[in-house]
Amino acid sequence: GAVVSQHPSRVICKSGTSVKIECRSLDFQATTMFWYRQFPKQSLMLMATSNEGSKATYEQGVEKDKFLINHASLTLSTLTVTSAHPEDSSFYICSALGQGGFWTEAFFGQGTRLTVV
Amino acid sequence: SQQGEEDPQALSIQEGENATMNCSYKTSINNLQWYRQNSGRGLVHLILIRSNEREKHSGRLRVTLDTSKKSSSLLITASRAADTASYFCAETSGSRLTFGEGTQLTVNP
Repeated sequence: GAVVSQHPSRVICKSGTSVKIECRSLDFQATTMFWYRQFPKQSLMLMATSNEGSKATYEQGVEKDKFLINHASLTLSTLTVTSAHPEDSSFYICSALGQGGFWTEAFFGQGTRLTVV
Repeated sequence: SQQGEEDPQALSIQEGENATMNCSYKTSINNLQWYRQNSGRGLVHLILIRSNEREKHSGRLRVTLDTSKKSSSLLITASRAADTASYFCAETSGSRLTFGEGTQLTVNP
């Protein structure tokens, strides 16, 4: 199956700094990628849909200036958490759709554990 | 916001027993998918059932879909300790993939 690589897997940063998380589709082109946030023992919450070459679509309640998404190529989307605070500590996961779009499975990155101290 | 509910939220069984997890959804779906997540990891796709299908099998997995009740179930037969994980259903509707709350399955050796 297709592979989505997410980096870094873990990051610890100081409050007030920015953190960039990368999501790459390794063996296929992904025009659409998704970014999720997951709190412990909870489900995945969709943050935004990342579209190659255009602006991301953010879900209600997600601050676009706080969570910057860039999808500059068909294989790379990045999520930057700006001016991070301890409440931003969470597990962030990206995914990309297969070639068949929503008629096929989504492929997920390994996730990034962000801890803001 | 998340849609859909899964029950049970947690399930603990003995190895060899069957595990059944249920999922309800709210929208008109294109298809419904089930995913597995090991603790602290990404999600792995298990099975996809289309809106015009009622049942699907894959190895020890059996998924049913009842569009009239907007519900789906995942059955894992002859469970193994390695099946211990969280299981999520995900409804695809339009351009969205929305996850249910998940079931934490523990299979005791």
